[in-house]
Amino acid sequence: QLQLQESGSGLVKPSQTLSLTCAVSGGSISSGGYSWSWIRQPPGKGLEWIGYIYHSGSTYYNPSLKSRVTISVDRSKNQFSLKLSSVTAADTAVYYCAREVVVVVAATRWFDPWGQGTLVTVSS
Amino acid sequence: DIQMTQSPSSLSASVGDRVTITCRASQSISSYLNWYQQKPGKAPKLLIYAASSLQSGVPSRFSGSGSGTDFTLTISSLQPEDFATYYCQQSYSTLAFTFGPGTKVDIK
Repeated sequence: QLQLQESGSGLVKPSQTLSLTCAVSGGSISSGGYSWSWIRQPPGKGLEWIGYIYHSGSTYYNPSLKSRVTISVDRSKNQFSLKLSSVTAADTAVYYCAREVVVVVAATRWFDPWGQGTLVTVSS
Repeated sequence: DIQMTQSPSSLSASVGDRVTITCRASQSISSYLNWYQQKPGKAPKLLIYAASSLQSGVPSRFSGSGSGTDFTLTISSLQPEDFATYYCQQSYSTLAFTFGPGTKVDIK
């Protein structure tokens, strides 16, 4: 059974860079038919998609965050990572990693499973 | 971006009730609509994908319908473990996925 686990700094100072890693177990990050996503949720609020990466390394980012986001993949470690630069208090959120199932024939896709999430607080 | 709205934003219901949650997209998204359940302190869990397909392992009391701009999630007989927040998500715009604001279902 595929499992995802986020890790990284839980406290980041304003203007610095947030860095998180998602370790994938129970399956290969290089498997076809999937992309690997980051999604966040500010405390008490809804969900915001940040971006995703294919095993090939192709990336797609939320236009509202694009200038500050980098997602990368390390196939040797079976993990992928998120960097968000120039953070402010508005970036305080629980950050989730998730696998995106992509069904090319039906042109449909969904997020499953998700990691448990990790809270990142931006504060001096 | 495609905007997603949900109604109601919250509802109170009793065990055994039939519950319906509505999700509306700002433009047609065909059937590219997914539903997730989130319990406090937990990650979202996929319930329904492609508007009406039940994810493996999800109880059959959950069902989804709709296409175009209007979608519904129905719980046919609410169970104690169903009290949670439900989110819809469009996968039509693959360069900008968006979620609805959520519907919180709590105990009456």
